[in-house]
Amino acid sequence: QKEVEQDPGPLSVPEGAIVSLNCTYSNSAFQYFMWYRQYSRKGPELLMYTYSSGNKEDGRFTAQVDKSSKYISLFIRDSQPSDSATYLCALGGSRVSGGYNKLIFGAGTRLAVHP
Amino acid sequence: GAGVSQSPSNKVTEKGKDVELRCDPISGHTALYWYRQSLGQGLEFLIYFQGNSAPDKSGLPSDRFSAERTGGSVSTLTIQRTQQEDSAVYLCASSSMGLAGTLIEQFFGPGTRLTVL
Repeated sequence: QKEVEQDPGPLSVPEGAIVSLNCTYSNSAFQYFMWYRQYSRKGPELLMYTYSSGNKEDGRFTAQVDKSSKYISLFIRDSQPSDSATYLCALGGSRVSGGYNKLIFGAGTRLAVHP
Repeated sequence: GAGVSQSPSNKVTEKGKDVELRCDPISGHTALYWYRQSLGQGLEFLIYFQGNSAPDKSGLPSDRFSAERTGGSVSTLTIQRTQQEDSAVYLCASSSMGLAGTLIEQFFGPGTRLTVL
């Protein structure tokens, strides 16, 4: 079983839709939960992160962590064509997985927002 | 300020040849990471350098893979006797060193796309 599972998609939605992206994980020791966005032919860039459980909102983006279910989500409201990218979840802070500077990435979900 | 740079951006090689991939981290970043990204796969951790500490090589898939970091800055990932399954995008990231127990953001380069024929 992989430490982090993420549906690779692709996910295609119309402009203005609400998008829900999710990851599940198996190691309850993870403490940091991140979402990276990767445009085509570019390196990933950090979009949002949360520490422990709870929600975090930044503009049109909301990150949720449910540690009891080992489930993390990223919601995008009023999606735009410029949101078309691959979204990777990344988990860190687990000594079992190598400590605070080592991240475990999901496979990434490819999102396409069409006008 | 310059971000993480990698060279070459694309590399096509023949099976059995050796390749070297270069990473220039952000100035002042003490940590440097190499990842491999294959189609439909997540980022696969390869190796991690932190300051003068011994590198964490636990992700290197075989002894054909090696990496160096000279002078605490530039890093080179070497793949010997390349195989077709080595074809992937190789990403480098760097980060600063923070307080123990705090999350440190990793900044990624654009990657090197390696194709082994």
